[in-house]
Amino acid sequence: DVKVTQSSRYLVKRTGEKVFLECVQDMDHENMFWYRQDPGLGLRLIYFSYDVKMKEKGDIPEGYSVSREKKERFSLILESASTNQTSMYLCASSLYRAGNTIYFGEGSWLTVV
Amino acid sequence: AQSVTQLGSHVSVSEGALVLLRCNYSSSVPPYLFWYVQYPNQGLQLLLKYTTGATLVKGINGFEAEFKKSETSFHLTKPSAHMSDAAEYFCAVSDTLGYSTLTFGKGTMLLVSP
Repeated sequence: DVKVTQSSRYLVKRTGEKVFLECVQDMDHENMFWYRQDPGLGLRLIYFSYDVKMKEKGDIPEGYSVSREKKERFSLILESASTNQTSMYLCASSLYRAGNTIYFGEGSWLTVV
Repeated sequence: AQSVTQLGSHVSVSEGALVLLRCNYSSSVPPYLFWYVQYPNQGLQLLLKYTTGATLVKGINGFEAEFKKSETSFHLTKPSAHMSDAAEYFCAVSDTLGYSTLTFGKGTMLLVSP
């Protein structure tokens, strides 16, 4: 079975802290994604990566960075967390070509206080 | 740029009634189309997708959707709702070339009453 695992389901962080959200996939997928989900806004793409050390900005990259040192792992970094980054974060992965199914992890609920 | 419009943030049906969730897209060329479902406190699960071939696509849990190019629509239907169908449903589009990034609609919450 396909598996995308997000390391933390629930996190509470303080304003200004550096936050790492980790994601691992076991399907040898080329593409990995970070989405943010907010009520009434749907899912919005933060960053994606199509290969190790490669990254592309999505629709809302401001305030975030990413790291992909190994094919199976994709990290989302909040350099200085702010309260408006309180949200649900979803990691996903897929094979390279468009049309392939994108598989999602169960999400990480981040609260910034 | 692509965009997706889901009509109705909430749709309520009775158990056994027809489910119809509407999705319209905007794209310069016909895209690939997807429906995902999200149950409470879970990630998204693929229901069905249209890439090529037959425009009527069948998915899991008895759902189906029809790609209508002339109407730029990809509505999701199920003949008879079940209580377990209560969830949030997302329509999404992607380009047909290159990476498989998805652009999502804002979601429709399906409420099923006994």
